[in-house]
Amino acid sequence: DSGVTQTPKHLITATGQRVTLRCSPRSGDLSVYWYQQSLDQGLQFLIQYYNGEERAKGNILERFSAQQFPDLHSELNLSSLELGDSALYFCASSVVTEAYNEQFFGPGTRLTVL
Amino acid sequence: GQNIDQPTEMTATEGAIVQINCTYQTSGFNGLFWYQQHAGEAPTFLSYNVLDGLEEKGRFSSFLSRSKGYSYLLLKELQMKDSASYLCAVVDSNYQLIWGAGTKLIIKP
Repeated sequence: DSGVTQTPKHLITATGQRVTLRCSPRSGDLSVYWYQQSLDQGLQFLIQYYNGEERAKGNILERFSAQQFPDLHSELNLSSLELGDSALYFCASSVVTEAYNEQFFGPGTRLTVL
Repeated sequence: GQNIDQPTEMTATEGAIVQINCTYQTSGFNGLFWYQQHAGEAPTFLSYNVLDGLEEKGRFSSFLSRSKGYSYLLLKELQMKDSASYLCAVVDSNYQLIWGAGTKLIIKP
């Protein structure tokens, strides 16, 4: 158990809908990362937050947005969902954003868009 | 651009040794991670190298050559549970992790 929690574990929805994925980082970790992993593909970095502020952006679509709240939990919002958005979404956290920043991953949310 | 190359898939026999290579071209270098990921599960940390040389941890070792932009993960005494994907990730000059696509390792009895 990495200490990072993600809810829900599974999510099934229809095209055009909007969903929210939630992540709670390990106690004491200020940095949160979101990743997308489609079937048999590598990890695609979406976005990073550090202590409530956006720190880095990867290949995140405009239909996707995220935020980190004062209690450090984070939410990833996916809207106007398409079939191709079906994937595993991982959240990871780390203590700091620089130097040795081992990332600890949550169990993931499996999103299926029908 | 930034690029990390790993073989897509490798096959090895239970009890044998396998070496998974990773070459990288990134804007700056502040360390290299190896993660293990079983199918449908979260990646888990295996090793971190920032200085040249070999780091040994039980059955797993990781090697780094910064001048060559090269690392490898060495797995000894392979077990069936080692069947997984192995991800190489480099920390660039902005302290961002750049991920390789991963190497799927298949262990056969």
